[in-house]
Amino acid sequence: DAGVIQSPRHEVTEMGQEVTLRCKPISGHNSLFWYRQTMMRGLELLIYFNNNVPIDDSGMPEDRFSAKMPNASFSTLKIQPSEPRDSAVYFCASSRTLALEQFFGPGTRLTVL
Amino acid sequence: GQSLEQPSEVTAVEGAIVQINCTYQTSGFYGLSWYQQHDGGAPTFLSYNALDGLEETGRFSSFLSRSDSYGYLLLQELQMKDSASYFCAVRDQEEHKIIFGKGTRLHILP
Repeated sequence: DAGVIQSPRHEVTEMGQEVTLRCKPISGHNSLFWYRQTMMRGLELLIYFNNNVPIDDSGMPEDRFSAKMPNASFSTLKIQPSEPRDSAVYFCASSRTLALEQFFGPGTRLTVL
Repeated sequence: GQSLEQPSEVTAVEGAIVQINCTYQTSGFYGLSWYQQHDGGAPTFLSYNALDGLEETGRFSSFLSRSDSYGYLLLQELQMKDSASYFCAVRDQEEHKIIFGKGTRLHILP
């Protein structure tokens, strides 16, 4: 079975541009999580969905960030406009409903110049 | 609120045993998990404890004491490939979300 799929794996963009990160969770998993990881702040939960419904977005830094899950097999995290401080590795993870065993995708390394 | 505390770094010798501790504070508790992350890689699941006691999986074991809000990951017969960061994670019953610790960087000396 394929694991969690994320695209792109690397993204370099200029400040002010829109960035869209994509995630395909493992089939059959009901929960999907978006994380951001930096050296300074560690692994931060941004938002999570259960059965395609956003449950908690309190970790989303500000209004420039938005996430959607239009169906059980696809989610996006959008940053508009992007800023240099958004540079980080963004992970998507999925699990059976709120299980503690999460399966992480390979991550998207975002660099905003 | 909730918080997890784990050491930022631990150093051990190849072939030895090392213990990585995790203390937590949550309004409710469903279980404690451990994840491993190599440099440049993604976190991968290692273990999960819902009940008190020791769970063993090969060279790795994980322990939980709910009364002490404490757990640890025990790595035996350390190998150089075990050099990585290790994260504990808990699910908060009240807020229904999973919280990760800051991670412990394990350095292994030959």
